Amino acid sequence: LAKTTQPISMDSYEGQEVNITCSHNNIATNDYITWYQQFPSQGPRFIIQGYKTKVTNEVASLFIPADRKSSTLSLPRVSLSDTAVYYCLVGGGAGNMLTFGGGTRLMVKP
Amino acid sequence: GAVVSQHPSWVICKSGTSVKIECRSLDFQATTMFWYRQFPKQSLMLMATSNEGSKATYEQGVEKDKFLINHASLTLSTLTVTSAHPEDSSFYICSAGRAYEQYFGPGTRLTVT
Repeated sequence: LAKTTQPISMDSYEGQEVNITCSHNNIATNDYITWYQQFPSQGPRFIIQGYKTKVTNEVASLFIPADRKSSTLSLPRVSLSDTAVYYCLVGGGAGNMLTFGGGTRLMVKP
Repeated sequence: GAVVSQHPSWVICKSGTSVKIECRSLDFQATTMFWYRQFPKQSLMLMATSNEGSKATYEQGVEKDKFLINHASLTLSTLTVTSAHPEDSSFYICSAGRAYEQYFGPGTRLTVT
């Protein structure tokens, strides 16, 4: 299973763009990269998923370099409600388990 | 998007009793579901993989006789914490997969007194 490494915590201010980078040096060929957001006492919520290059949806962008050994989640113009823990996971397929790393605790300040 | 529900959302039980937690995939079928446990300020820890129609696969260190898992249908998996003790108090989360995405339930807060 590919292990992921993320910064333990990050601080930001409202309105700023936040970029969280995750390393996954031993990612497998069939692994996708998925980011989840978790608020206290709630289950993780899917944010975005990608395989290579760049993916964008209504809430975030995901940048993946050609070697796929890392990925960067970009949150544009964060608000206080984006304060949460963000997890980067790699894996493939509905039947494949996901191993959670420590996640990044993002604190957005006024 | 796909929805996974859990019931109950929170439960308090006395030490020595058993508690059952249900995990349902509401709008899709899942042959495999996963059960996680999360302690305060910590990450999710995979406990077991629930397979429809067969025995669950437990992670190292997780007692299969204490955490009974039954995956009786393609939309329902249950986790029963038997003879619960205060150290079993935790946040239990399930997930089910569709395509390349895993969808997580809202979690169940278990408090054992």
